[in-house]
Amino acid sequence: NAGVTQTPKFRILKIGQSMTLQCTQDMNHNYMYWYRQDPGMGLKLIYYSVGAGITDKGEVPNGYNVSRSTTEDFPLRLELAAPSQTSVYFCASSQTMNTEAFFGQGTRLTVV
Amino acid sequence: KQEVTQIPAALSVPEGENLVLNCSFTDSAIYNLQWFRQDPGKGLTSLLLIQSSQREQTSGRLNASLDKSSGRSTLYIAASQPGDSATYLCAVRRYGIIQGAQKLVFGQGTRLTINP
Repeated sequence: NAGVTQTPKFRILKIGQSMTLQCTQDMNHNYMYWYRQDPGMGLKLIYYSVGAGITDKGEVPNGYNVSRSTTEDFPLRLELAAPSQTSVYFCASSQTMNTEAFFGQGTRLTVV
Repeated sequence: KQEVTQIPAALSVPEGENLVLNCSFTDSAIYNLQWFRQDPGKGLTSLLLIQSSQREQTSGRLNASLDKSSGRSTLYIAASQPGDSATYLCAVRRYGIIQGAQKLVFGQGTRLTINP
C-alpha cells in the first residue's frame, strides 16, 4: 500500500533557486493538500485541490504554485526560494471532506 | 476563524498509566475531527476520525470522544506503552461550502513521553 508518496525526502536549496516537490497518491482521492510544518507553529495549509484541474489557495500561498493535471499528482512549485521557506512540507489526500485524511512522509527543505 | 488548542504541550507519564489528551476548538460547525500521531522526523499517521454526528470512536487501546457543543475532544490511551511516545495532533474540518472549508485546522500537538 503506497498511499501518499512524496519526493524528495530532503533537499537543500540556495536562495533564488527553484524546485518542485512531488506528491502522488494511489487511492483515487479527489482532495489533495499541501501543508508546511514549522517548529512550534503547527501545520499551515499552502494550497489544496478538490479534483483534477481545480486548485485554490490556503492560508500561506505566497511564494508557491500548484497544478493538478491528474487525480494522482499534486506537485508544489517554489519559484524563488527564500530562507522563510525552510520547513517540512507535507502532502495529504482524502476521498471527500467527510473522510479520513492521509499524509505523506514529508519533505524537509532547507534554503540557505 | 477556527482555532484549535491542545493542552498540555508536553506530557510525561510512567508506563502502564491510562491518560487523556485534550483538544478544544472555537467553532462548533465542523464536519469531523481527526486525531493523528507523529513520530520525530516522520509524517502524520491517522489514528481516529470522528464525524460530527458521532460521540466517540475506538481503535484498540485508543478511544476518542467528541462534544461539539462544548468544542472539545479527548483522546484516551489505555495501558500506555513506551511505543506510544510521539506527538499527538488533533485537526478539525470546518463545515460549509466556502473557500477553505475543506481544510483541516490543526492544533499545536501534545508531545507524549511514556517512561519505562
